Amino acid sequence: GNSVTQMEGPVTLSEEAFLTINCTYTATGYPSLFWYVQYPGEGLQLLLKATKADDKGSNKGFEATYRKETTSFHLEKGSVQVSDSAVYFCALSDLDGSSNTGKLIFGQGTTLQVKP
Amino acid sequence: DTGVSQNPRHKITKRGQNVTFRCDPISEHNRLYWYRQTLGQGPEFLTYFQNEAQLEKSRLLSDRFSAERPKGSFSTLEIQRTEQGDSAMYLCASSPRPAAETQYFGPGTRLLVL
Repeated sequence: GNSVTQMEGPVTLSEEAFLTINCTYTATGYPSLFWYVQYPGEGLQLLLKATKADDKGSNKGFEATYRKETTSFHLEKGSVQVSDSAVYFCALSDLDGSSNTGKLIFGQGTTLQVKP
Repeated sequence: DTGVSQNPRHKITKRGQNVTFRCDPISEHNRLYWYRQTLGQGPEFLTYFQNEAQLEKSRLLSDRFSAERPKGSFSTLEIQRTEQGDSAMYLCASSPRPAAETQYFGPGTRLLVL
């Protein structure tokens, strides 16, 4: 079945450091890929998405490229801020997959802590 | 848009009691999803509605769980005879049209079963 695997956290960085959070997936068909972010005490928010191979999603300085050949969708940011501290979830949608419900399949989440 | 709302935000109950959660999606969103999130894990799909029709249920949704979406607007998720293993965050999400993929999440209802 479809699945998503993220690097384990927590990831602790100093402000202005470069961030990479790895995400790989297993899927039938050609799913869309997402990064959601969950700030402390808040709900999940969509950070960025990509709907087909080689697409790059970007938002708020974060970016991720849909790599079909490596089945990956790694999240990167060139210079993190303290305000980026949150839990980041990689997810895929099965809208083009086995059941066509559009349900999201999430990774386990990666906690990012940015220190000043 | 006012966003997806969920009530209550927190619920503490004793084992064996019934609980009901409510989700109000963004107005005119056709699809509504329920997910469950346990500590340290990503959300897991429970069920989804397109308008008032419940079209898929996960194997995670035991017979003690039931969900409705009368008139295709708000939705309720009921858990009967709660167990300690039901303790989790219950998330609701909606999306605007059948082919859309972006889901907008509510703040969740945190359930603690004592």
